[in-house]
Amino acid sequence: NAGVTQTPKFQVLKTGQSMTLQCAQDMNHEYMSWYRQDPGMGLRLIHYSVGAGITDQGEVPNGYNVSRSTTEDFPLRLLSAAPSQTSVYFCASSYRVITYNSPLHFGNGTRLTVT
Amino acid sequence: SQQGEEDPQALSIQEGENATMNCSYKTSINNLQWYRQNSGRGLVHLILIRSNEREKHSGRLRVTLDTSKKSSSLLITASRAADTASYFCATVYNQGGKLIFGQGTELSVKP
Repeated sequence: NAGVTQTPKFQVLKTGQSMTLQCAQDMNHEYMSWYRQDPGMGLRLIHYSVGAGITDQGEVPNGYNVSRSTTEDFPLRLLSAAPSQTSVYFCASSYRVITYNSPLHFGNGTRLTVT
Repeated sequence: SQQGEEDPQALSIQEGENATMNCSYKTSINNLQWYRQNSGRGLVHLILIRSNEREKHSGRLRVTLDTSKKSSSLLITASRAADTASYFCATVYNQGGKLIFGQGTELSVKP
């Protein structure tokens, strides 16, 4: 199993550009989520999904869109990038919905810089 | 914010010593989890403790949970240089399917 795969590893965008961060898992996990990590802020939840076709907002959803058309994939879309979205983005998945005591498996992150 | 608060923010010890990190949270939880992050990498799950458990062990790790004080601690015994990493607590709240992370403790173990 590859686990949780994120692409790209690094990305530089100009303000106003759009892009999609890809996340795929091959573990048949029900739950998937996106976090951003900023210095001194820990990890903050952006969006999460409890199954195909179901998504919900986390702590900091503004400026980001998600969809979950398959169990395996959970892309994160930045519609109009802003410098405040410069961060490291992590995708994570779990076998069951998180309240069923299932730990998260993380990808290795995408480092995004918006100039 | 529902974030947990971690203490200390940074900890520097010698190899062989024990390291203790603390986490406090705000409302009733379903479970509390500890994760480790090596520099430049994703987080790795270490241990999960349910709200009805008080203590849990995994190798050199010992986690305690005090729901009356809304706090947890992670003890790493006989630390090694390879334990150098950031450690995060994360809580699953009874309302909703969200795992919320604290700000982390940066542990440095000197050989």
